[in-house]
Amino acid sequence: AQSVTQLGSHVSVSEGALVLLRCNYSSSVPPYLFWYVQYPNQGLQLLLKYTSAATLVKGINGFEAEFKKSETSFHLTKPSAHMSDAAEYFCAVSVYGGATNKLIFGTGTLLAVQP
Amino acid sequence: SQTIHQWPATLVQPVGSPLSLECTVEGTSNPNLYWYRQAAGRGLQLLFYSVGIGQISSEVPQNLSASRPQDRQFILSSKKLLLSDSGFYLCAWSKGLTTGELFFGEGSRLTVL
Repeated sequence: AQSVTQLGSHVSVSEGALVLLRCNYSSSVPPYLFWYVQYPNQGLQLLLKYTSAATLVKGINGFEAEFKKSETSFHLTKPSAHMSDAAEYFCAVSVYGGATNKLIFGTGTLLAVQP
Repeated sequence: SQTIHQWPATLVQPVGSPLSLECTVEGTSNPNLYWYRQAAGRGLQLLFYSVGIGQISSEVPQNLSASRPQDRQFILSSKKLLLSDSGFYLCAWSKGLTTGELFFGEGSRLTVL
């Protein structure tokens, strides 16, 4: 079964430091992978997605992720953290089951940015 | 452009009372619709999805049910709430058999006391 695992439920970085949020996937077929961000008491917003085109995917707010098949990873990075990046981040894999695609989410990583 | 609305945004209900959460999508037709629940520290759990009017698929057995009375309306219900039903409920939509990208509503926070 397809799934994603997010390593580290809490990550803390200093403002201006590199952000690295880890996601590993398990899939028997080429996966579609996503990163979403959630601010407190809000819905989820798509940051970026991998759909088997370029392995380095650029998203909104300066985030990017690299699909590495050999490592089954899809880690999210940002060169320089901003206070506004503090939020919860979810990695997800698209699964086809029954009549449509479904997104299966990881358990999330809460990012704190220290001044 | 497409928009998705959920209401109510916040709800406090006693154990044993009924529940109705509504979700409406605008600006598209025949969307796939989804209900997710987010419990503290447990990520997002897919509860139901629907590919058309009256067509509901349940992902996990539970105290909740879903209905799709109109093309762009998705309702989450319960006849008798349990404490364990507390959480943040998110409605989402997608367009047909695409990559699976979902667009989420703002969520409804349910507290059962």
